[in-house]
Amino acid sequence: NAGVMQNPRHLVRRRGQEARLRCSPMKGHSHVYWYRQLPEEGLKFMVYLQKENIIDESGMPKERFSAEFPKEGPSILRIQQVVRGDSAAYFCASSPTGIQAEQYFGPGTRLTVT
Amino acid sequence: RKEVEQDPGPFNVPEGATVAFNCTYSNSASQSFFWYRQDCRKEPKLLMSVYSSGNEDGRFTAQLNRASQYISLLIRDSKLSDSATYLCVVNAGGTSYGKLTFGQGTILTVHP
Repeated sequence: NAGVMQNPRHLVRRRGQEARLRCSPMKGHSHVYWYRQLPEEGLKFMVYLQKENIIDESGMPKERFSAEFPKEGPSILRIQQVVRGDSAAYFCASSPTGIQAEQYFGPGTRLTVT
Repeated sequence: RKEVEQDPGPFNVPEGATVAFNCTYSNSASQSFFWYRQDCRKEPKLLMSVYSSGNEDGRFTAQLNRASQYISLLIRDSKLSDSATYLCVVNAGGTSYGKLTFGQGTILTVHP
């Protein structure tokens, strides 16, 4: 049973470019979460999605960041016009249900903005 | 006050030692509690969920005190492979039930 998959594992973007991060949840999981870990900091919640719905986006920056989880295909975290402060590890997690569920994390995407 | 606070550490212990980590949380609406471990900035891996009745998994024992909003993790007979950062994790509860809040982590190093 494959775990949570994320790609790319490493992504380098110049300031002003767009970054697209992909996440495929574990088989049987329909709940997806995105977290960000800045250098030397803890993980911070960004967004929680179910298929075709955003459940909680309270941790998303107001501008430049968006997320989706379409009916078919992986969840996408999109960062427009990246800045150096966006450099971080972005982790995706999934769970089979939402309430009180254990979340399982993917290997992360390390974004570097030059 | 931070939402989840952990012992600052780091902890350096010899193999075979018993080590305990403590954690407090501020959100009384939290419903779910977990310990994760993270190795060298890799992904967090679920170690165990924490229940009010306390639970044990091999050498690991977790306790939850809802009244004091306190969580603990005890590791017995430490192994070199236990060296990692241990993360106390709490869900936000209420309408933010999917959101996990992570402590800053406690670094454990087990030496021969």
